[in-house]
Amino acid sequence: GAGVSQTPSNKVTEKGKYVELRCDPISGHTALYWYRQSLGQGPEFLIYFQGTGAADDSGLPNDRFFAVRPEGSVSTLKIQRTERGDSAVYLCATTMGTQYEQYFGPGTRLTVT
Amino acid sequence: SQQGEEDPQALSIQEGENATMNCSYKTSINNLQWYRQNSGRGLVHLILIRSNEREKHSGRLRVTLDTSKKSSSLLITASRAADTASYFCATSPSGNTPLVFGKGTRLSVIA
Repeated sequence: GAGVSQTPSNKVTEKGKYVELRCDPISGHTALYWYRQSLGQGPEFLIYFQGTGAADDSGLPNDRFFAVRPEGSVSTLKIQRTERGDSAVYLCATTMGTQYEQYFGPGTRLTVT
Repeated sequence: SQQGEEDPQALSIQEGENATMNCSYKTSINNLQWYRQNSGRGLVHLILIRSNEREKHSGRLRVTLDTSKKSSSLLITASRAADTASYFCATSPSGNTPLVFGKGTRLSVIA
């Protein structure tokens, strides 16, 4: 596709529920990154993929968070037993070739009630 | 954790004036990038400066980098109302690794 897309754009869920957030990256991209942005803060790194496996998942806050990229393209961020503190905008970004600039999707705004 | 700190946190100027935002970071870097964000959603890449560069221009944007002081500045000349957004600096310790963002500067350009 022409750009990074993320679905859903907004997700409201109840505390304790499971959610999946999807990222469709740019065609021909290399690495794929997930960030989380809380209100008034800059994005914070969660996890990134170079291929199908995570190259670095050190930013995941705890074991309730998990991400997959089974075919080296589309990625899904999964959050189990959601908590109100998980409310944030979740951003996906990709790089192209050997360039370092990252191309961001519009984000998914997650609200846990 | 966030490495960078942008200064000021908020800036309000008149259209046509120049806007300067500063960024400080803590560890060594491969490159430093500036991004713009409208309405709290997707970020747009503006400019990248490598650790061996001191200044870079792109249109109305001018970025400087001082690795000895671990700081960078972004200058937007002849600002427009459409420049109203949040601006973030982001550092990369080594090439294609995850970015570490600051908290951002909220710029308001008043027409």
